[in-house]
Amino acid sequence: DVKVTQSSRYLVKRTGEKVFLECVQDMDHENMFWYRQDPGLGLRLIYFSYDVKMKEKGDIPEGYSVSREKKERFSLILESASTNQTSMYLCASSLRLAGVSSYEQYFGPGTRLTVT
Amino acid sequence: QKEVEQNSGPLSVPEGAIASLNCTYSDRVSQSFFWYRQYSGKSPELIMSIYSNGDKEDGRFTAQLNKASQYVSLLIRDSQPSDSATYLCAVNPPNFGNEKLTFGTGTRLTIIP
Repeated sequence: DVKVTQSSRYLVKRTGEKVFLECVQDMDHENMFWYRQDPGLGLRLIYFSYDVKMKEKGDIPEGYSVSREKKERFSLILESASTNQTSMYLCASSLRLAGVSSYEQYFGPGTRLTVT
Repeated sequence: QKEVEQNSGPLSVPEGAIASLNCTYSDRVSQSFFWYRQYSGKSPELIMSIYSNGDKEDGRFTAQLNKASQYVSLLIRDSQPSDSATYLCAVNPPNFGNEKLTFGTGTRLTIIP
């Protein structure tokens, strides 16, 4: 079974703090994704990475950055947290085999971040 | 027009009945379609993938794809209270090398005992 883990289930931070959210997958997946999920807005893609040190912006990258130094680990960074970044953050991964993706994404348990 | 549309519900179905969830998508050349189940406070869990027109069955779940009409549906037979959740439809945009999925906002399903 694919296992995707996230560093925290719940996190409370103050406005202006730098926040690190970490995600680790154990299935050797090439692709990793960060989403946020808000009521009424659904899942929105923040960033994704298809290889180590590679990243691409998703639909809402403003205020976020990412780091992928190892294949299994993908970090989301909030440089200066703001209250509008209070949300559920979900990490996902998917397999690419011989250059062809299965597109099936597997999610971690999520981190509920509150910025006060 | 949203890329992936779902009725937000709530959809209430008696226990033991068939629950029918629908999803439409805007890009005619989309190729890959997925259904995720999300319990309240939990993360989405992949339950079905479908790539070809027609039906795909897995236990009590059947996914149906009609590319000509641009819709994909999920049927849940013999609905159980444990099926109460939000169901997300996801579509892979057709651009070559595009790894992303576009998600609908989900349909909340309640199974009434």
